[in-house]
Amino acid sequence: QVQLQESGPGLVKPSETLSLTCTVSSGSIINYYWSWIRQPPGKGLEWIGYIYYSGSTNYNPSLKSRITISLDTSKNQFSLKLNSVTAADTAVYYCARWSVGGNFIDYWGQGTLVTVSS
Amino acid sequence: SYELTQPPSVSVSPGQTASITCSGDKLGTKFTSWYQQKAGQPPVLVISQDSKRPSGIPERFSGSNSGNTATLTITGTQAMDEADYYCQAWDSSAIFGGGTRLTVL
Repeated sequence: QVQLQESGPGLVKPSETLSLTCTVSSGSIINYYWSWIRQPPGKGLEWIGYIYYSGSTNYNPSLKSRITISLDTSKNQFSLKLNSVTAADTAVYYCARWSVGGNFIDYWGQGTLVTVSS
Repeated sequence: SYELTQPPSVSVSPGQTASITCSGDKLGTKFTSWYQQKAGQPPVLVISQDSKRPSGIPERFSGSNSGNTATLTITGTQAMDEADYYCQAWDSSAIFGGGTRLTVL
């Protein structure tokens, strides 16, 4: 059973950079697409972007200018950096794995709440 | 940009059939998946690729997709099915519907 675990600061100051890491266990990063998805409190799901194990990326156009998603296959981890954060970036951030073929998400992390506040 | 539209809420009596719709332009030409999310938990896949039910998901969950509308159907709804449901498809990027709160009265 593949497991994903998000880690990173729970509090980020406005204008700074949000950094999160997802560690994948009981499975390999190879051959899959890996995503970050967020959910503001009381609201719906928003796809942030994905990275393929080869390193190719695709980002949500509305966030593209502020996002970097990277991969470390040696550690079975992938990461998110979101810069110039505001209170609107406060959300539960999930990491997730897309199925082979990439049509649906078959594994989710438990999610981590990141609050943007001074 | 592509959008998926869901009703904000659906109510159903225990044992009855609940139908949750997801609308988008020519959605029937795209694979649609459905996720169930209970309070404080990550989403769980209940239907993939329009109508496939993952292992461990009860048979009462089914899906269809045609024209501009995908539908998640729960037959014989149980109290434990009360949750938020999200549809998801791909355009040039992954798109989620706004979510539907299913209430089992």
